[in-house]
Amino acid sequence: DTGVSQNPRHKITKRGQNVTFRCDPISEHNRLYWYRQTLGQGPEFLTYFQNEAQLEKSRLLSDRFSAERPKGSFSTLEIQRTEQGDSAMYLCASSFESGLYGYTFGSGTRLTVV
Amino acid sequence: QKEVEQNSGPLSVPEGAIASLNCTYSDRGSQSFFWYRQYSGKSPELIMFIYSNGDKEDGRFTAQLNKASQYVSLLIRDSQPSDSATYLCAVILNDYKLSFGAGTTVTVRA
Repeated sequence: DTGVSQNPRHKITKRGQNVTFRCDPISEHNRLYWYRQTLGQGPEFLTYFQNEAQLEKSRLLSDRFSAERPKGSFSTLEIQRTEQGDSAMYLCASSFESGLYGYTFGSGTRLTVV
Repeated sequence: QKEVEQNSGPLSVPEGAIASLNCTYSDRGSQSFFWYRQYSGKSPELIMFIYSNGDKEDGRFTAQLNKASQYVSLLIRDSQPSDSATYLCAVILNDYKLSFGAGTTVTVRA
């Protein structure tokens, strides 16, 4: 097990295009989280899953954003009709049950919308 | 009021000195408290967590928590150039959502 894996590492897209990111959590972790980080700021919570159930979505997650975790394993985050304001680092993390002892983050996907 | 506030950097310390980072949080219900280190262009890496009042030491790092004052700190002793990074303070309410501060950038001068 090599930790949380995210693909792609970098994505450049034109405004208006759709993009999809993938996250593979640590295998025994049943919780999976998505965060977004912009330059000079700390990560901001977007959503999380317990197994395959999406239990909370932030107000930051507009209707252009959708996340799935089929079968409780990997997760995808899709952004439709990208805007320049979507440019950020998208971070995935996982934990076993509670997050009270912290998460393990993946390497992130850096999105640039041009 | 932001949920988590950190002292604004950047913080520059000479090699071998102690770097002191501070953080305050607004929600008294916060349960656990974390320090993440983030190198430029990389993702955050958990270096310390604490949930009881007092000090917790791990190698050259000491985290301090004072729930009455809603204050968390991180001391880095014998600072090394490899400690140059942004340090993010985070708190957790409930058991799933981390709230992060904006981070303090530390530069260790050789």
